[in-house]
Amino acid sequence: QKEVEQNSGPLSVPEGAIASLNCTYSDRGSQSFFWYRQYSGKSPELIMFIYSNGDKEDGRFTAQLNKASQYVSLLIRDSQPSDSATYLCAVGSNQGGKLIFGQGTELSVKP
Amino acid sequence: GAVVSQHPSRVICKSGTSVKIECRSLDFQATTMFWYRQFPKKSLMLMATSNEGSKATYEQGVEKDKFLINHASLTLSTLTVTSAHPEDSSFYICSARDLGGGMKAGGRDEQFFGPGTRLTVL
Repeated sequence: QKEVEQNSGPLSVPEGAIASLNCTYSDRGSQSFFWYRQYSGKSPELIMFIYSNGDKEDGRFTAQLNKASQYVSLLIRDSQPSDSATYLCAVGSNQGGKLIFGQGTELSVKP
Repeated sequence: GAVVSQHPSRVICKSGTSVKIECRSLDFQATTMFWYRQFPKKSLMLMATSNEGSKATYEQGVEKDKFLINHASLTLSTLTVTSAHPEDSSFYICSARDLGGGMKAGGRDEQFFGPGTRLTVL
């Protein structure tokens, strides 16, 4: 079992819709969770981080964490074509700051 | 957020040569930096953890004699790909932890990424 799993996609949503990206992780002791966005040919940029169970909202983005289910998600409201990218879920490994990345979900927002 | 730079952004070299990539934290001190490589359509693969003033810690399967890492200061880590071959062609990305950022930044474990270096070995 992979440590951090994401659906590779591609996930296609129409402009203005809600995009839902999901991630599961295997280490129950994980404490920190991150969503990065990566455009083609570019390096990842941090979108959201979350440490506590529940929802965390930042503009059009909402991160949801459920530690009991070992599940973290990212919702993007009012999706725009500029949101089209690969979204990487990362989990803190408690090993000197290492992050464990999922394989990424490719999101395509159609005008 | 904190800024990390990489140089060069793109390099093309002949097989057998060595290539050095620099990673700098511009506005914060980074005792720990990380080196990743990424193949097309694949996720980031951690190669090594670079600690200032000590030897790097390499991930399983990464040849430490081929990928030399030096973390000489709190703002600079270098990755040297020695005797590069075409299979070493990849996108190399560094990241750094801002220990002083605390909860202002991402807090625990947040990494700031450099823009990456595209290496092509002919």
